[in-house]
Amino acid sequence: GENVEQHPSTLSVQEGDSAVIKCTYSDSASNYFPWYKQELGKRPQLIIDIRSNVGEKKDQRIAVTLNKTAKHFSLHITETQPEDSAVYFCAPRDSNYQLIWGAGTKLIIKP
Amino acid sequence: NAGVTQTPKFQVLKTGQSMTLQCAQDMNHEYMSWYRQDPGMGLRLIHYSVGAGITDQGEVPNGYNVSRSTTEDFPLRLLSAAPSQTSVYFCASSPARTSGGDNEQFFGPGTRLTVL
Repeated sequence: GENVEQHPSTLSVQEGDSAVIKCTYSDSASNYFPWYKQELGKRPQLIIDIRSNVGEKKDQRIAVTLNKTAKHFSLHITETQPEDSAVYFCAPRDSNYQLIWGAGTKLIIKP
Repeated sequence: NAGVTQTPKFQVLKTGQSMTLQCAQDMNHEYMSWYRQDPGMGLRLIHYSVGAGITDQGEVPNGYNVSRSTTEDFPLRLLSAAPSQTSVYFCASSPARTSGGDNEQFFGPGTRLTVL
């Protein structure tokens, strides 16, 4: 089945700086790549997703890039703000159409 | 729209007890699923359903049963609770018949379950 890894497990950045989280997957048939944000004690919420026929997608301060050849995709957050502090999960869809979740990256924004 | 609702929010069980976690959605979504989230970990799929009358097992189905008699409801039953089932349980729904599809999964607020 799909093997998903996220790096790093914890990321601490200065407010205003950029943050990048990488997700690697193993199923070459994966074709849908979402990122979810989970604030402490809350439910996961989709923040951005990308399909396999697109290399990059941006939404204001958030972007996702996809490298299908290398089987990884990354979340980019620019001009980080305190409200970006959360745990971020990648969840690529496998060939059985199930989302397979990474273990999460805790993003800490230092004031 | 209430979205995805779950009850109860918190539950404490003794080993061996059974209970049902309730999940309902009012968005007419075909796909519904149950996940468990253990501390510091991602979500693991327990069971899912692609429509009324259809259910299937996910990654960690042992000890849990589900049914989907209506589009709106997808209850999760713990048959005989064990301490290893202490976790936060999330129900999610999506408009697509396949998991996520190209569509967002909408999550309920979660149920925090402790088994003593």
